[in-house]
Amino acid sequence: SYELTQPPSVSVSPGQTASITCSGDKLGDKYACWYQQKPGQSPVLVIYQDNKRPSGIPERFSGSNSGNTATLTISGTQAMDEADYYCQAWSVFGGGTKLTVL
Amino acid sequence: EVQLVESGGGLVQPGGSLRLSCAASGFTFSDHYMDWVRQAPGRGLEWVGRSRNKANSYTTEYAASVKGRFTISRDDSKNSLYLQMNSLKSEDTAVYYCARSLYGDYFFDYWGQGTLVTVSS
Repeated sequence: SYELTQPPSVSVSPGQTASITCSGDKLGDKYACWYQQKPGQSPVLVIYQDNKRPSGIPERFSGSNSGNTATLTISGTQAMDEADYYCQAWSVFGGGTKLTVL
Repeated sequence: EVQLVESGGGLVQPGGSLRLSCAASGFTFSDHYMDWVRQAPGRGLEWVGRSRNKANSYTTEYAASVKGRFTISRDDSKNSLYLQMNSLKSEDTAVYYCARSLYGDYFFDYWGQGTLVTVSS
């Protein structure tokens, strides 16, 4: 079965750039998307079709996907961005990455 | 405003059954594929299955972990999605979310608040 691998945790200082990776075999041949989930809340779609932002998602969220890796980049990270982030391709989710803003 | 509201969760014994519902509003429900996604306590997201729309004959698709035990159905006249869960196991304990698929692709632009299913004796 297909698997997507994410780092369990990523730390970033406020105002800096955070990058969260998602690895899978030939992932670049599929569309990837990303969700943000804060404690006790439902997931929120932040990136779809590799690099598109839904309405209402800040421009500091961007995505890329090539080869075996998709990347979610958060520029100028804010305290409110602290959350769990999940990648998804096809019907498979990554294990999630906890982003800590120190 | 798009809203998805799940209901029907609760405590059930192993081997038991439960039916979840998802009431949709604020969009043309019949146009969309709808999915169920679950999240075990403290764990990540797991896709459960989907119902395609009328244009695609309401066909369904399931994760291997629930195939043969879970059944997804929908009633477009009631703007509702259902998840019938039979032969429940402890590992089915999770918050179950219904989610709207955008463009029929595997990404979900709206999620419900979730309903907790606990399988325990």
